[in-house]
Amino acid sequence: KQEVTQIPAALSVPEGENLVLNCSFTDSAIYNLQWFRQDPGKGLTSLLLIQSSQREQTSGRLNASLDKSSGRSTLYIAASQPGDSATYLCAPYGGGSGGGADGLTFGKGTHLIIQP
Amino acid sequence: KAGVTQTPRYLIKTRGQQVTLSCSPISGHRSVSWYQQTPGQGLQFLFEYFSETQRNKGNFPGRFSGRQFSNSRSEMNVSTLELGDSALYLCASSRDRDRKTTNEKLFFGSGTQLSVL
Repeated sequence: KQEVTQIPAALSVPEGENLVLNCSFTDSAIYNLQWFRQDPGKGLTSLLLIQSSQREQTSGRLNASLDKSSGRSTLYIAASQPGDSATYLCAPYGGGSGGGADGLTFGKGTHLIIQP
Repeated sequence: KAGVTQTPRYLIKTRGQQVTLSCSPISGHRSVSWYQQTPGQGLQFLFEYFSETQRNKGNFPGRFSGRQFSNSRSEMNVSTLELGDSALYLCASSRDRDRKTTNEKLFFGSGTQLSVL
C-alpha cells in the first residue's frame, strides 16, 4: 500500500524567502506525481504534474522535482508571497496494491504561512 | 470554461439518514473521482467512474455508493449516516481515464461539507 509523508507539517516564513517542501512515498512504481494547493475550506488546485520519466517541472515561481527511485519529490517556491499561504499536498498516482483502488494517494500536507 | 461544480456546498444530516451529493465535471471530461477529506485521515479515495461504469473503488464500506450519468455528471450516496462520515467530500474530473502515460491532471471541485449530528 502506497504511503505518503510530507515534511514539514507546518512552516511559517517571512515574505520573500525561497522554500522547499518535501514529499516521500513508499512505493516507487508510480506513473506520475501531482502537487496541489488547498485553501481553507476549498477544493484542491493542481499546481504541477511530473511524469515518472521526468525529473522536474516548472511553472512560474514553482519548481517540482521527482526522484522516483528514492521515492522523493520536492516543491520549490521562489520569492514567497503572502498569497502562497495554503496547504500544499503531494499525490503520487500508482504504486501499492491499495486494495484495488486506483486513485491518488495523498500526504497530510504542509501548512504554509507566508508572513507579510 | 466552467470548473467542477459540486452541490450542495454544505449539508447537515442526522445519524441514520442518507445523503446524495452531486458533481458536474468540466465539459468534455468523462472521468469522475470522489474523495473524502477528514482532519484525522486526510484525503482518501472513494471511487472513480468512467463512461457510467465504476472502474475503481477505495476501502470504504458499502454504505458509500455512486453512479455516473450519460452526461458524465456523477452522484455519490451515503446511507445510514454515522458521525464519522462528517467530512469534506471532493469530486475531481479528468478528460481521460488513463492518466498513467499522459499529463492528464485532476481538477477538483470546492467540495461538499457534510456534518452528521
